[in-house]
Amino acid sequence: SAVISQKPSRDICQRGTSLTIQCQVDSQVTMMFWYRQQPGQSLTLIATANQGSEATYESGFVIDKFPISRPNLTFSTLTVSNMSPEDSSIYLCSVAGGLGKETQYFGPGTRLLVL
Amino acid sequence: QKEVEQNSGPLSVPEGAIASLNCTYSDRGSQSFFWYRQYSGKSPELIMSIYSNGDKEDGRFTAQLNKASQYVSLLIRDSQPSDSATYLCAVNKRAGGTSYGKLTFGQGTILTVHP
Repeated sequence: SAVISQKPSRDICQRGTSLTIQCQVDSQVTMMFWYRQQPGQSLTLIATANQGSEATYESGFVIDKFPISRPNLTFSTLTVSNMSPEDSSIYLCSVAGGLGKETQYFGPGTRLLVL
Repeated sequence: QKEVEQNSGPLSVPEGAIASLNCTYSDRGSQSFFWYRQYSGKSPELIMSIYSNGDKEDGRFTAQLNKASQYVSLLIRDSQPSDSATYLCAVNKRAGGTSYGKLTFGQGTILTVHP
């Protein structure tokens, strides 16, 4: 499976600020996704990051709050904008479409605490 | 009704026993089914994928799928303390004409294997 890295691994931020999370894959993949895992909860899909076009957002998530970029087949960013304590979560990127086709593999996650 | 529902936990089994994890899903259009394991503070890692009715075995793990009953399970034989983790069932419905639909996760089942 692909090797996936995320930066930063964790951060503590003040409310009202924004944080950009990077996801880097060591090989070209067709699909990249962004998930949120709130404390003690399961994973919720935020959006599909589309290469060369706007991301596809799930119900309850909007571009103004979670802008996403995907400039090429190995890299994507998720920005959490105008943060509030409710945004404190683990943010995970996943990839699919490499050798494992539709199977999704997850990065190590970014642990965000908003004060 | 939740889209993907797992048996309520936590589940505790003695070392060497069989752990049985269950998952039901509501969308009959679902095509692919996955089990992920998540250790505390870590990201989900893929254990098994299954696409066809019946059993699929990989080492101590067996996934079972019954599309008519909309049911997928994971059996862990000879359970070890190192198997103690949260197990996540994920279901993939192929969106439109693409092969890479979104993953919908169950709420997870916490498994504890005690010596």
